[in-house]
Amino acid sequence: DQQVKQNSPSLSVQEGRISILNCDYTNSMFDYFLWYKKYPAEGPTFLISISSIKDKNEDGRFTVFLNKSAKHLSLHIVPSQPGDSAVYFCAASENSGTYKYIFGTGTRLKVLA
Amino acid sequence: AAGVIQSPRHLIKEKRETATLKCYPIPRHDTVYWYQQGPGQDPQFLISFYEKMQSDKGSIPDRFSAQQFSDYHSELNMSSLELGDSALYFCASSRTEDRVVGGYTFGSGTRLTVV
Repeated sequence: DQQVKQNSPSLSVQEGRISILNCDYTNSMFDYFLWYKKYPAEGPTFLISISSIKDKNEDGRFTVFLNKSAKHLSLHIVPSQPGDSAVYFCAASENSGTYKYIFGTGTRLKVLA
Repeated sequence: AAGVIQSPRHLIKEKRETATLKCYPIPRHDTVYWYQQGPGQDPQFLISFYEKMQSDKGSIPDRFSAQQFSDYHSELNMSSLELGDSALYFCASSRTEDRVVGGYTFGSGTRLTVV
C-alpha cells in the first residue's frame, strides 16, 4: 500500500515557467513533509520542508503548499531553470517513533532551455 | 561541511555471495537510516538505528542484517544475494532535534549489482 503517491512520473516545463509537482498521501498521522531532489548517481538532496501546522513554506524559488483536508502537497518552482532537471521525491513522516520518512515514487522534471 | 559517507560506491557480487555496505553518518547525528531503491522505484525504508540501538524495521529481508557500532558508523550485511537485491542502497543520518529543520541527509549511495 503506497502511503505517499506522486501520480506524475514525469513533467516537462519550459525554462522560466513554473513547475508544479504534486504529491498525495493517505496516512492522516503524517505531520511533516519534505521534498528531495535527486540527480543520477547521487543521494537525494533535501530541498524544502513543511509541517502540518502550516499550509505554505517558501524558500527562494521553491514553495511548498500543504492542503491537509485533501491530503495533498505540491512543490512550485518559479522560475524553472535547466539545472532543476532531476527526480523529485516527496516524503512524509509521523511525529512518533523514529520519524522515518515514507517516500513517494518520484517525478522526473525536465526543464527545457 | 561533513556529509554522510557510504562505501563502496559500487559493488558487484555473484548470486549467493555476501555483501557488506558501510555508512559513516554526520558527526553528532544520533539516527541512521538505510533505504533501498530499486530501478525506477522510490526509496524503501529498510532499518534504522538510534544511538546504536535498532529503532525501527521496514521491509528488510531476513537475509539482511545491520548494526551500528560504537563510533556510530553502520554496516548493512546482505547474505545469499539474489538478482533482485540489485539496487541503490542509501544511508541517511539525522539529529532528532533537527527533524523540524530539514529531515535527514543522505549519502551518495552504494550501487549493488548482483550477477
